[in-house]
Amino acid sequence: DTGVSQDPRHKITKRGQNVTFRCDPISEHNRLYWYRQTLGQGPEFLTYFQNEAQLEKSRLLSDRFSAERPKGSFSTLEIQRTEQGDSAMYLCASSFGLGNTEAFFGQGTRLTVV
Amino acid sequence: AQRVTQPEKLLSVFKGAPVELKCNYSYSGSPELFWYVQYSRQRLQLLLRHISRESIKGFTADLNKGETSFHLKKPFAQEEDSAMYYCALRRDPSGTYKYIFGTGTRLKVLA
Repeated sequence: DTGVSQDPRHKITKRGQNVTFRCDPISEHNRLYWYRQTLGQGPEFLTYFQNEAQLEKSRLLSDRFSAERPKGSFSTLEIQRTEQGDSAMYLCASSFGLGNTEAFFGQGTRLTVV
Repeated sequence: AQRVTQPEKLLSVFKGAPVELKCNYSYSGSPELFWYVQYSRQRLQLLLRHISRESIKGFTADLNKGETSFHLKKPFAQEEDSAMYYCALRRDPSGTYKYIFGTGTRLKVLA
């Protein structure tokens, strides 16, 4: 599968623990996005990278959330001191180049905080 | 503020009946609008975009700037069309090309 890959697919963690998710975009895609989706809602934008630069962060991304894309390839999203409200599907997407190119989504990481 | 509204959470139609999934948006600039689809246990994928003016799997969508709508239509629904459909607005005031999604409409096509 040469699409966007996310790991792990599922994560169950206890409240207060830290978790880290990984996203491998499609090769040579320079744009990478993180979204969060809760039950009954559409994906909500969290943050965006162009190459290694994080160009935009949503207000949804509290101080407990941090994302990196160190070499402009894969990205990680870390949540510190998880809370039950963090339970959601975390989606990664990537796209290439300039103009009107579509974003390709991964299958997501489902986080459950107990 | 930019917003996408999909008023129906669930739409049930019989096979062969016409389908219209509603999408309204609010955006002060020139919008780019998309429909994404998510079939059961699959990832979100692009169905069509307004700029292409294409028909994919029999679906079409026309951007109506006067009514700020981008409704998705298909004349004859098929059972395999059952899925979750999301309308999305892409904005680029600063070059982020990020998507703003609606809450989605679940389409159920009944045999």
